[in-house]
Amino acid sequence: DAGITQSPRYKITETGRQVTLMCHQTWSHSYMFWYRQDLGHGLRLIYYSAAADITDKGEVPDGYVVSRSKTENFPLTLESATRSQTSVYFCASRGQNYGYTFGSGTRLTVV
Amino acid sequence: QKEVEQNSGPLSVPEGAIASLNCTYSDRGSQSFFWYRQYSGKSPELIMSIYSNGDKEDGRFTAQLNKASQYVSLLIRDSQPSDSATYLCAVGDSNYQLIWGAGTKLIIKP
Repeated sequence: DAGITQSPRYKITETGRQVTLMCHQTWSHSYMFWYRQDLGHGLRLIYYSAAADITDKGEVPDGYVVSRSKTENFPLTLESATRSQTSVYFCASRGQNYGYTFGSGTRLTVV
Repeated sequence: QKEVEQNSGPLSVPEGAIASLNCTYSDRGSQSFFWYRQYSGKSPELIMSIYSNGDKEDGRFTAQLNKASQYVSLLIRDSQPSDSATYLCAVGDSNYQLIWGAGTKLIIKP
């Protein structure tokens, strides 16, 4: 199906573990983004990518790593999860009208 | 610091009335403006985009842009309970990166 998909939808992990959130889009959009959304903070940009092998930090990059070896995939890795990284994570891609389309999100809980 | 400001609400509107949502932005170089709707537990969904001064209508939704005053608004006519959601204003900077408002929670009362 065309669109942008995230996996998993829900994840519970322990403090200190590495966890990777997946994002896949079928439109071949150049730009992709990772956001986290927490009550009281709205959407905060973690990392973004302008094309394959081009990534850049957003507002809150600490503790996160991204890669983009293929245009369609943009995984986000938490190298050593902390409780403060409990959040809802959204991946998005940017279309030709410059609007973003979001995936369904991953609800991550770090215990 | 580029900022997008929205009243957090909640904004309570009777069913059938017009809901008016407002947003102001700080970057005069902004070229693209968007309204997203986000239902509780769901991802943001693009409902309106506007790029030039004036009004843009799409069904029950009208987006209004005034670049001189640096505000953008969203009107929802004949409000329905299904319109109850959080509405996010997003403004594209000169690089077309979106700057997000914190959102206005809208409640439509039957």
